Amino acid sequence: EAAVTQSPRSKVAVTGGKVTLSCHQTNNHDYMYWYRQDTGHGLRLIHYSYVADSTEKGDIPDGYKASRPSQENFSLILELASLSQTAVYFCASSDRGESAETLYFGSGTRLTVL
Amino acid sequence: GQQVQQSPASLVLQEGENAELQCNFSSTATQLQWFYQSPGGSLVSLLSNPSGTKHTGRLTSTTVTKERRSSLHISSSQTTDSGTYLCAPQTGGYKVVFGSGTRLLVSP
Repeated sequence: EAAVTQSPRSKVAVTGGKVTLSCHQTNNHDYMYWYRQDTGHGLRLIHYSYVADSTEKGDIPDGYKASRPSQENFSLILELASLSQTAVYFCASSDRGESAETLYFGSGTRLTVL
Repeated sequence: GQQVQQSPASLVLQEGENAELQCNFSSTATQLQWFYQSPGGSLVSLLSNPSGTKHTGRLTSTTVTKERRSSLHISSSQTTDSGTYLCAPQTGGYKVVFGSGTRLLVSP
C-alpha cells in the first residue's frame, strides 16, 4: 500500500515566524503535491514537483516555498507565516504525471497561525 | 485555469436511497478522479475515470470527456457513506485541480 507521511500532524505558529511542513513518501513516485484546504472548501494546489531538485508553482503559490531535495521528500516552507495561512495542508504523491492513476494523500497537517 | 463545479453542494439521504453527484469542469482533462473525504479529514481515492463508464462496488462513474462533465452514482447508500465527495480533473501536465465537493449525509 502506498504511503505518504506528513509531519507534524498539527502546529501552532506565530505571525511572522517560519514554518516548515514535511512530507515523506515510500511509493517511489516521481510526482508530489502540496494542497491547502480551508474549512468547508475543496483543496487548492500550492506547489508540485515531478523530479527531485525541481518544483513548480500551483494555483496559490504566494507566501509559500517548496523544496524537493530527494524523490522521497517534499517540504512546504512558510518564511513569514500569516493569519491567512491557517488551514489544513495535504501532501500527495502520484505514480506518473499525465493520466496519473491516482493520488495518494497524507493525513494532513493542521496549521494554526496566531 | 481549470474551474471545477460540483453539485449539489450538499445532499441528505435516507439509508438505502441512491445518490447522484455531478462535476463540471472548464478545460479538457486527461484524467478524472473521484475522492472521498471522511468526516475526520482523511482523503482516499474512489476511482479514476477519464472517459466512459466505470463501476466499483456500489459506485458508478460516467465521464463525458467532450462535454467536460462527470457524475458519480452511489447506489443503496449507507450511513458510512457520509462525508465529502471531491471531483478532481487533471489537465495537461501534472496539475490536479479539485472541486469544492458535495457533502453527503446518510441517515439511518
